[in-house]
Amino acid sequence: QQQVKQSPQSLIVQKGGISIINCAYENTAFDYFPWYQQFPGKGPALLIAIRPDVSEKKEGRFTISFNKSAKQFSLHIMDSQPGDSATYFCAASMETGANNLFFGTGTRLTVIP
Amino acid sequence: GAVVSQHPSWVICKSGTSVKIECRSLDFQATTMFWYRQFPKQSLMLMATSNEGSKATYEQGVEKDKFLINHASLTLSTLTVTSAHPEDSSFYICSARDRGDPSYEQYFGPGTRLTVT
Repeated sequence: QQQVKQSPQSLIVQKGGISIINCAYENTAFDYFPWYQQFPGKGPALLIAIRPDVSEKKEGRFTISFNKSAKQFSLHIMDSQPGDSATYFCAASMETGANNLFFGTGTRLTVIP
Repeated sequence: GAVVSQHPSWVICKSGTSVKIECRSLDFQATTMFWYRQFPKQSLMLMATSNEGSKATYEQGVEKDKFLINHASLTLSTLTVTSAHPEDSSFYICSARDRGDPSYEQYFGPGTRLTVT
């Protein structure tokens, strides 16, 4: 059972546009929601993360929006650049237990010049 | 800071042989290390969690006798794929949690591409 659902599977955005990737979860015990960027043949790298006590977090061109009641969170990439072309994964974790990360299925982003 | 390395970055082995992959935290001590497997164009699937000095905890469906994990020190964990077969070909990624970091963050290695012929 997929604990974190992610959409879309792929996304093509014009340079300068906004890329939006959405994730949803069911387990209300999750309290840490990171986003990772992965380039081909490389390990994932943490982009930005949020805790459920805030509804939005911004770091540079990257913003996470979090809707606790809807159990959804999204990544917005402003002014998308060709260098942002990569696969993006959302994930969720909880404080108790082994702190395992549950990953979404990934979104392949292509930013065209 | 918080750098995780993996060795080798890629390996080709013959069916039936064993291969060892190392995961090291270079500038921090890792109480917990995680091993993931990723097939092409798919998500990361957690294989096992290892804590220094104790036995690894394997996820359901992962054969512990086939994927041997040893977390011998606070900076090194190894994954040994025993009697490898072509279906074991995959991208293996480790991650580590910093002992001194109260956050939940996992730092990921660059991955190891295993091809079994």
